[in-house]
Amino acid sequence: GENVEQHPSTLSVQEGDSAVIKCTYSDSASNYFPWYKQELGKGPQLIIDIRSNVGEKKDQRIAVTLNKTAKHFSLHITETQPEDSAVYFCAASTNSGYALNFGKGTSLLVTP
Amino acid sequence: GAVVSQHPSWVICKSGTSVKIECRSLDFQATTMFWYRQFPKQSLMLMATSNEGSKATYEQGVEKDKFLINHASLTLSTLTVTSAHPEDSSFYICSATSSGGTSYNEQFFGPGTRLTVL
Repeated sequence: GENVEQHPSTLSVQEGDSAVIKCTYSDSASNYFPWYKQELGKGPQLIIDIRSNVGEKKDQRIAVTLNKTAKHFSLHITETQPEDSAVYFCAASTNSGYALNFGKGTSLLVTP
Repeated sequence: GAVVSQHPSWVICKSGTSVKIECRSLDFQATTMFWYRQFPKQSLMLMATSNEGSKATYEQGVEKDKFLINHASLTLSTLTVTSAHPEDSSFYICSATSSGGTSYNEQFFGPGTRLTVL
């Protein structure tokens, strides 16, 4: 089955700096790669996603890149703010089953 | 749009009792709903996939008689933890997806239910 690896497990940056979280996947059939932000005691919230027919997608301060050949995708957050502090999960899925395979999460701390 | 609710948000029960958790899609019809379990500081683990009107598909290692799932309508799925024990204490999260259109694969998550079994 699909195996999603996520690094780093923890990340601390200063406010205004950029943060990058990287994920790799094993199943070449995966074609949908969402990123979720989870705050303490809450459910995950979709922040951005990318499909296998594009290499990059941007939404204001957040961007995601996908390298299908290398089977890795990354989340980039620019101009970080304290409210960006949360746990971020990457995930991958194929068209057929819809089930998401999650990475282990990255705890991001943005210090003022 | 695409709001998923869960009820209750938290529940405390005695060992041996059963607990039902509801998951509702409020503004769309969910052809498929998923149930996840999350332990503290860990990732989400898929427990089962349920399609409206059919039996749920459970992941390996998840006891179907322990975790009863009913997806009776396109907007409601329930998870019943039967004869709960302290090791069942966890954060249970549901998600919902609809087929077709431009939102295929996209899952919308509920806020989660914190279950504590004493």
